[in-house]
Formats: sequence, structure tokens, C-alpha cells
Amino acid sequence: GESVGLHLPTLSVQEGDNSIINCAYSNSASDYFIWYKQESGKGPQFIIDIRSNMDKRQGQRVTVLLNKTVKHLSLQIAATQPGDSAVYFCAGAEWNQGGKLIFGQGTELSVKP
Amino acid sequence: GAVVSQHPSWVICKSGTSVKIECRSLDFQATTMFWYRQFPKQSLMLMATSNEGSKATYEQGVEKDKFLINHASLTLSTLTVTSAHPEDSSFYICSATGLAGDRQFFGPGTRLTVL
Repeated sequence: GESVGLHLPTLSVQEGDNSIINCAYSNSASDYFIWYKQESGKGPQFIIDIRSNMDKRQGQRVTVLLNKTVKHLSLQIAATQPGDSAVYFCAGAEWNQGGKLIFGQGTELSVKP
Repeated sequence: GAVVSQHPSWVICKSGTSVKIECRSLDFQATTMFWYRQFPKQSLMLMATSNEGSKATYEQGVEKDKFLINHASLTLSTLTVTSAHPEDSSFYICSATGLAGDRQFFGPGTRLTVL
């Protein structure tokens, strides 16, 4: 069935290092992907998105890479800061299916000062 | 812009009672609203999709008679958990899409605890 999964449930990095969070998806029809950050007790916060006609998109300190051949996407956070500590979810959707999102399991990022 | 609010932010109720959670889009008209449930240390699971003025579409395994969804206006959707039981304790999150229908904007969530 459709699923979006993450390779690692936890990731610990040193402040200032770069972080890479990975995500695999199974639905070949998914053509829109989003990364969310969720802090404890709060709703998901949009970080960055990418359409399937792109393989890379950059934001402020974040980059999303999409490899449709192997159905994989990643979120790179440059110069990770303590405020980046949170759970990160990837989500995929079929654009013509009403925007319904399928969320991955999440990766908990812990930044050590 | 694109702010979604939820009320209440947390609620504690006795088993067997019903609880209503509101989801509002504050500065845009939400043609579609989504309701998710999230258990501790787990991901968000979509419960249902609602469009203004029409019946909600529930995901497989979600009891529509237990989780009543009403989307009466373009800025308000409500989720009522009927005859709540301890296993319904969870974090309920709504999201909304605007007229452009692209990005989902998430609310802050409602923590439900059923005693």
C-alpha cells in the first residue's frame, strides 16, 4: 500500500554540523513532497516542499533533494542549531487527489551544544 | 497569513462523554480541512477530509459515527468525539487548504485525555 517511511528514527548532531534526514516513499504516483518540523506538543510546521519535476530545492539553511528513480528524498539542514531540535516528518501527496498527505514515521533530531 | 487555530488546546473528559474540537482558518477561506490523529512517538494519521458544505470522507478504519465532522463554513470545521473512551486519548490536529488548494496549513493541535 501507499507509505512514506524514514530510515532512521533518531539523529543526534553537534551544533554547527550539517544534518541529513532521509525519507523513502513507495507510491510512484506521489508527485508532491513536503518536509515538516514538529516541536513537542505543537502542530507540524512547514519547512520546504518540492514537486516531482524538480530534484533539488533550497530554502534558508535547508535543502531538499528528490530522487524519483529510487523514490527517496532527503532534508539537509546546514549549520544545525539547538532550535532545530524537533521531530521531522516527510509527507507525500498526489497532486490531483485533493492534496491528501501521507506522512512518514518521523525522525527525532537532537542537537548537542 | 494562513493561520489555523484549534480550540481547545487541551481537554480532559470522563469516559462516555462527547468532546467537540474546533478548527478555524483565521485569515483565509478553507475549502478543504483535514483531521489527523497522532499518538505519542508516532506519525500523523489522516482521519478524514472535509469540504465545506458536504459530508466528510473518512479514511479506512475510522468510525464515522464516532468521529463526527462538520464543515459548515469556509472557516470552521468541528470534530466531535462521541462516547469517548481512554483509547481515544490522543493529539488531534487539523489542517486547511485555501482556494489555491495547494499547501496545507496546520493547527496547533488539541490534546484529548479521556479518563
